[in-house]
Amino acid sequence: AQSVTQLGSHVSVSEGALVLLRCNYSSSVPPYLFWYVQYPNQGLQLLLKYTSAATLVKGINGFEAEFKKSETSFHLTKPSAHMSDAAEYFCAVTGNQFYFGTGTSLTVIP
Amino acid sequence: DAGVTQSPTHLIKTRGQQVTLRCSPISGHKSVSWYQQVLGQGPQFIFQYYEKEERGRGNFPDRFSARQFPNYSSELNVNALLLGDSALYLCASSLVSTLANRYDGYTFGSGTRLTVV
Repeated sequence: AQSVTQLGSHVSVSEGALVLLRCNYSSSVPPYLFWYVQYPNQGLQLLLKYTSAATLVKGINGFEAEFKKSETSFHLTKPSAHMSDAAEYFCAVTGNQFYFGTGTSLTVIP
Repeated sequence: DAGVTQSPTHLIKTRGQQVTLRCSPISGHKSVSWYQQVLGQGPQFIFQYYEKEERGRGNFPDRFSARQFPNYSSELNVNALLLGDSALYLCASSLVSTLANRYDGYTFGSGTRLTVV
């Protein structure tokens, strides 16, 4: 069975600070992992995906994530937070369907 | 190009009523999936359709049903609405038929916000 756990339902960072959103996965097969972002009153937008190629994946808007098999993690990072990054972020793993985490709400403090 | 479009954007229904939600996929996409997102939770898989056939179903009661039309648009129907059905219903489309679409992920619409009172 596949699942993801997002540690921290709310994360606050200052503008310009490092963003780190945590995701740990559980998968009985080599996982395919995704990060999606959801802005208020909108659907989900794909940020980046890991599909067993490079372990460091670069996405849109300056975000990147590193797949670490030994830690079963796929944490999302951005070196410098911007006000426009405030949103809900979802990690997802694929099995026979998409399994989403419960989300992390990112607040950026000016 | 138009993305995934969903209608209506918001609606309010009374317990026991029935509701139909609509979705038009991206042009050329033949697969449509439906997800329910309860406030404060991640999306939960309801259905996937490809070429008008159901390819997968999540853990939802039979009150939930869906269909896909020849133009690949889709409808999600929910009967005998309960307060707990209040949620954002998301439609996602993809090119391929595999349930998980492992390689590309999905393109999501903006959703329909259903409130049951």
